[in-house]
Amino acid sequence: DSGVTQTPKHLITATGQRVTLRCSPRSGDLSVYWYQQSLDQGLQFLIQYYNGEERAKGNILERFSAQQFPDLHSELNLSSLELGDSALYFCASSGRDYNSPLHFGNGTRLTVT
Amino acid sequence: GNSVTQMEGPVTLSEEAFLTINCTYTATGYPSLFWYVQYPGEGLQLLLKATKADDKGSNKGFEATYRKETTSFHLEKGSVQVSDSAVYFCALTLPRDDKIIFGKGTRLHILP
Repeated sequence: DSGVTQTPKHLITATGQRVTLRCSPRSGDLSVYWYQQSLDQGLQFLIQYYNGEERAKGNILERFSAQQFPDLHSELNLSSLELGDSALYFCASSGRDYNSPLHFGNGTRLTVT
Repeated sequence: GNSVTQMEGPVTLSEEAFLTINCTYTATGYPSLFWYVQYPGEGLQLLLKATKADDKGSNKGFEATYRKETTSFHLEKGSVQVSDSAVYFCALTLPRDDKIIFGKGTRLHILP
């Protein structure tokens, strides 16, 4: 068990809709990362937060947004959903040190129909 | 820029075969290097890491040595099992930089 909790596990929704994915990081970890994993297995970095502030941005679409709350949990909001947004979305957390590994949740599988 | 390149899969081996998954990197400075494994239906988990040149990371029979001269961190296992079937990701981080750079992943199939 990584200590990172993601909800929901599965989400099925229609095009044009909006969804919110939630992540609770491992206890004590201040950094939260969001990744998208498509069928070709590659990991696409979306965004990182550190202690409530945005730290780094990857290839995140304008339709997507995220935030990290004072209790350190994070939410990823996906709006105006398209079929191509169907993917696995992973949250990961880590400690301060750059040597600290990432701890991943088990992901949310989003299916857009 | 900084990058990680790993061998394309899928890699298919028979049980008890020797495994090598190649990983090379490009980085300014002195990265830390990681191998992560993703079992079916799960998130990635750390397999092993090495933080400086000539360090060897090891776990669950897997090993990788941080080779600065060849900028490589190849993953090896002497005798694979069916349960090793998974996707393996090589990754690096740099000091004073929060970015974690992943390779594209290598899918490994072990046949009984």
